[in-house]
Amino acid sequence: DIQMTQSPASLSASLGETVTIECLASEDIYSNLAWYQQKPGKSPQLLIYDASSLQDGVPSRFSGSESGTQYSLEINSLQSEDAATYFCQQHHDYPPTFGAGTKLELK
Amino acid sequence: QVQLKETGPDLVQLTQTLSITCTVSGFSLTTYNVHWVRQPPGKGLEWMGAMWNGGGTDYNSAFKSRLSISRDTSKSQVFLKMNSLQTDDTAKYFCARGRGPFDYWGQGVMVTVSS
Repeated sequence: DIQMTQSPASLSASLGETVTIECLASEDIYSNLAWYQQKPGKSPQLLIYDASSLQDGVPSRFSGSESGTQYSLEINSLQSEDAATYFCQQHHDYPPTFGAGTKLELK
Repeated sequence: QVQLKETGPDLVQLTQTLSITCTVSGFSLTTYNVHWVRQPPGKGLEWMGAMWNGGGTDYNSAFKSRLSISRDTSKSQVFLKMNSLQTDDTAKYFCARGRGPFDYWGQGVMVTVSS
């Protein structure tokens, strides 16, 4: 199975700041990477797919990028509603596998 | 409007069988794949298996032969059945639609395995 190593496990940032979350794939996943946002008690919501494509309805302050097998989610101009846990997921090979998650706290 | 909704028990006894139904609306099971994903309390997400739009299935080998996924297209329902439940099967079980990434999810059903 492809391993997804996500970092950091948690971070704290202030309103208006920019944060970056990273996922390292254990092998080439050819940009087949998605990012999800999950709030407590809720189901995950798709933010980004194919590494950098923004899902319909997702604010443009969310963006995705890649460099080799390293994938990044950047959130600009943090808003209070961005407090959540974020997961990456590779959808290149089966089984699909997820990163362990990053809990984002707003100061 | 795409929707998925899981229904199932809150509590299952140790070694018994879990059955969950995912009822979908706003799309056809013959067009989209439906997946099962679970999340233990406070932990990450684990893909369990899928019902392909063509009627085939795929399973995470981690569940060996305990897991079975089926569907009734006439009722727009996908079924998960897993036997020999253990306490570490306590989790929230989600169904999700997707051809790669999962673009719509149900709200999930929290299942506790009780000894």
